[in-house]
Amino acid sequence: AQKITQTQPGMFVQEKEAVTLDCTYDTSDPSYGLFWYKQPSSGEMIFLIYQGSYDQQNATEGRYSLNFQKARKSANLVISASQLGDSAMYFCAMSDYSGAGSYQLTFGKGTKLSVIP
Amino acid sequence: DTGVSQDPRHKITKRGQNVTFRCDPISEHNRLYWYRQTLGQGPEFLTYFQNEAQLEKSRLLSDRFSAERPKGSFSTLEIQRTEQGDSAMYLCASSLAMPEQYFGPGTRLTVT
Repeated sequence: AQKITQTQPGMFVQEKEAVTLDCTYDTSDPSYGLFWYKQPSSGEMIFLIYQGSYDQQNATEGRYSLNFQKARKSANLVISASQLGDSAMYFCAMSDYSGAGSYQLTFGKGTKLSVIP
Repeated sequence: DTGVSQDPRHKITKRGQNVTFRCDPISEHNRLYWYRQTLGQGPEFLTYFQNEAQLEKSRLLSDRFSAERPKGSFSTLEIQRTEQGDSAMYLCASSLAMPEQYFGPGTRLTVT
C-alpha cells in the first residue's frame, strides 16, 4: 500500500523568503507520480506541480520546484519568494495506477503554511 | 468558467436523510474521481469513472453510497440514510489521459 508522510503540521515563512515543505513516500511500485496541491481556506484543491518517477530532472513550475530524491523517497516542495497569498494548506500526494485506468491519489495529512509580512 | 464545478457548495441535513451531490467535470475530461476529506486530513479516494463506466470503488464507499455518471458527462454521488460520520467535504476531480487531476470547490456536508 502507498503511504505519504508530511511531518510538518505547520510552517511559518517571512514574505519574500524561500520555504521547503517536506514529503516522504512509500511504495513498492516502480512507476508512480508525485504531486503537490494547495488548499486555501475556501477549500478548493489547486494543482501545483507533478513529478514522474522516471523523470530525470526535478519539476519546476514558476515559483514552485519539486526536490525529488528517489533513493531517499522524498519529494519536497520548494516555494521561492513567498507571497502572502501562499498562506494555505499544502498536500503532497502520490498516484497509484490501478490497472483499470485510475490514477487515484493518496494524500498526506498536509502542512499549513503561514506567510508573515 | 471552464473548471470543475460542484453543487451544492454546502449541505446541512438531518441524520437519516438522503443527499445527492453533483459534479460537472472539465468538458473534455473523460476521467472523474470522487474523494472525501474530513477535518484535519487529506482527501481519501472514493470512486473512479472512465467515461460512463465506474471502474474503481474504495472500501470507504459503503452500501449507502452510490455514484453515477450517465453519458460520461456530469456525475452524482448519493448518500442514503446519512450518519454523523458522513460529515465531510466531498471533492470531485477530473482529468484527461494524464495523471494530474483538477479539483472542484467541493461540497461540504454537515449531518446533524
